[in-house]
Amino acid sequence: NAGVTQTPKFRILKIGQSMTLQCTQDMNHNYMYWYRQDPGMGLKLIYYSVGAGITDKGEVPNGYNVSRSTTEDFPLRLELAAPSQTSVYFCASRSGTSANNEQFFGPGTRLTVL
Amino acid sequence: AQSVSQHNHHVILSEAASLELGCNYSYGGTVNLFWYVQYPGQHLQLLLKYFSGDPLVKGIKGFEAEFIKSKFSFNLRKPSVQWSDTAEYFCAVKSNYQLIWGAGTKLIIKP
Repeated sequence: NAGVTQTPKFRILKIGQSMTLQCTQDMNHNYMYWYRQDPGMGLKLIYYSVGAGITDKGEVPNGYNVSRSTTEDFPLRLELAAPSQTSVYFCASRSGTSANNEQFFGPGTRLTVL
Repeated sequence: AQSVSQHNHHVILSEAASLELGCNYSYGGTVNLFWYVQYPGQHLQLLLKYFSGDPLVKGIKGFEAEFIKSKFSFNLRKPSVQWSDTAEYFCAVKSNYQLIWGAGTKLIIKP
């Protein structure tokens, strides 16, 4: 299993550009998550999904959108990039079959908005 | 709402020193607690977790954590650190579908 994969690894955007961060998991996990990690701030949840077709906002959803058309994929969309969205973005997934299970993380996407 | 505090943002130790990283969460009841580690250039991975039972939890690479309900704490320990333990360590508590994360502690081990 590849686990959780994310593309791209790095990206530089200009203010106002848009992009999609891709996330795919091959573990048949129901739950998927998008976090951003800023220095000294820990991880903040942007959006999450409890299954295909179901998404919900996390703590910091403004400026982002998600979709979950399949179990495997959970793309994160930035429509109008702003410098405040410079961060490292992590996708994670977990099985929904048990309460006491861990989240598995992708390698992250480092995004800079100039 | 639930919150998690990690009091030390940076810790520097020499090899073979003992380690304790603090983690406190804001309210009680039934809690599920985690420690994750992020080695330089790598993604987050689970060190250990607590759900119920023995409050002393053993994880990978010689790490352990103790859940103390009365203190709302879940501190991470290792009796003798190695240079390879240099990493950032995150404490998290489960809240509904989510994990609420601490700000992280950067640990640097001097060889």
